[in-house]
Order: sequence, then structure tokens, then C-alpha cells
Amino acid sequence: AQRVTQPEKLLSVFKGAPVELKCNYSYSGSPELFWYVQYSRQRLQLLLRHISRESIKGFTADLNKGETSFHLKKPFAQEEDSAMYYCALSVYNTDKLIFGTGTRLQVFP
Amino acid sequence: DTGVSQDPRHKITKRGQNVTFRCDPISEHNRLYWYRQTLGQGPEFLTYFQNEAQLEKSRLLSDRFSAERPKGSFSTLEIQRTEQGDSAMYLCAGRSPANYGYTFGSGTRLTVV
Repeated sequence: AQRVTQPEKLLSVFKGAPVELKCNYSYSGSPELFWYVQYSRQRLQLLLRHISRESIKGFTADLNKGETSFHLKKPFAQEEDSAMYYCALSVYNTDKLIFGTGTRLQVFP
Repeated sequence: DTGVSQDPRHKITKRGQNVTFRCDPISEHNRLYWYRQTLGQGPEFLTYFQNEAQLEKSRLLSDRFSAERPKGSFSTLEIQRTEQGDSAMYLCAGRSPANYGYTFGSGTRLTVV
């Protein structure tokens, strides 16, 4: 079965603290994974994808095939990081995305 | 990608009425996707088009739902005989061959009363 699991609905941290948003997936093929972010009153937008191995706004995510995980990390959270974060799995050939239920990140000053 | 437009932003309708939503991607978006999102859930795939061809429909898309993308440009999603369970945010997204990520629209929020 194709599935993305984000176990935390809400993650609250103080500014400057490290952040890790968890994502686990189930997929029979070679996975292509993404993180999308939705800031308050804005549309969903791509944050990063595992293929590019890039760091966006200080966030990184490493694909761990052994643990079937794609956790999102940032060493020092900022207040402007407060948003809804969705992990998503792309299905081969169709590019349709299977989303997790999302994690709301709250960064307090 | 400069954007995907969706119209209307909000729609309130009485149960049993038909509604139609529109999505305008940019010209480079050869693939167009429709998703539905309910409270506390991530977006769920409904259907997608490659140019004008509808290539896949989710089991979520009952017979009351129909989508079109004439000429491979804008797309419409129609819901006939709306039910309260249809209340959700309907998201459209475009994807171009040169870009791995989607560009999402702002969505149409449907409330069935």
C-alpha cells in the first residue's frame, strides 16, 4: 500500500530550538519524496524534494530507505517557520502525490 | 511557474444543487491535478489530466463528480447533486515537464448546507 504517515499533528518549539518533523512512508517502488509547506492564508508550496538534496530556508531532509523515513530538520527554528508542513510521496509515472495528514509547527518567541 | 488560479474562492450551496469549479494553470503545465482536502487531513488525489486526456480517477470520485480539460488548458470540476460530505477545499495543481514540484492554486472552499 502507498501511504505517508506524519505522527505528530502539532509540534511546538521555542525560537532557536532544533526542529524535526517526522515522516514515514510505505511504497513498493523507488520513492520520490517531497515536503510542502502552507503558511497562514497562503497556498501550498514546495519546500524541498529529496532528489535535489538541497537546503531551503535552513531545512534539510534525508531519505532513509532502511527506515522508510524522510524527516524534515532544521537546527535553529525561527518564528517565521510557523506553518503547516506536509510530507508527500510521488507515484511513479503519474506524479500524483500521496500526502500525509500534516504537522503544524508552532515556533514561540 | 507564476501561478495557478482557481475560481471561485468560496462556494456555499444547498444540498442537491450542482456546482462547478474552474482551474486555470499556466500554459507550461501539461499535467493538471485535482485534490480534495478536508479538515485535519492532507490533500487527497481526485483525478489528473495530461494535456486534455484524463488519465486517472480516484475511487473518491463518485459518479456525481466529473472533470474536464478541453484543449488542455483550463479545467473544470463539476459536482452534481451535492451532499454535505462534499464540503471540503478543492485544490488544483499544475506541473510542467521542467519542474519536479507542483504549483498549487489557492483552492475553492465548498460548503454544502
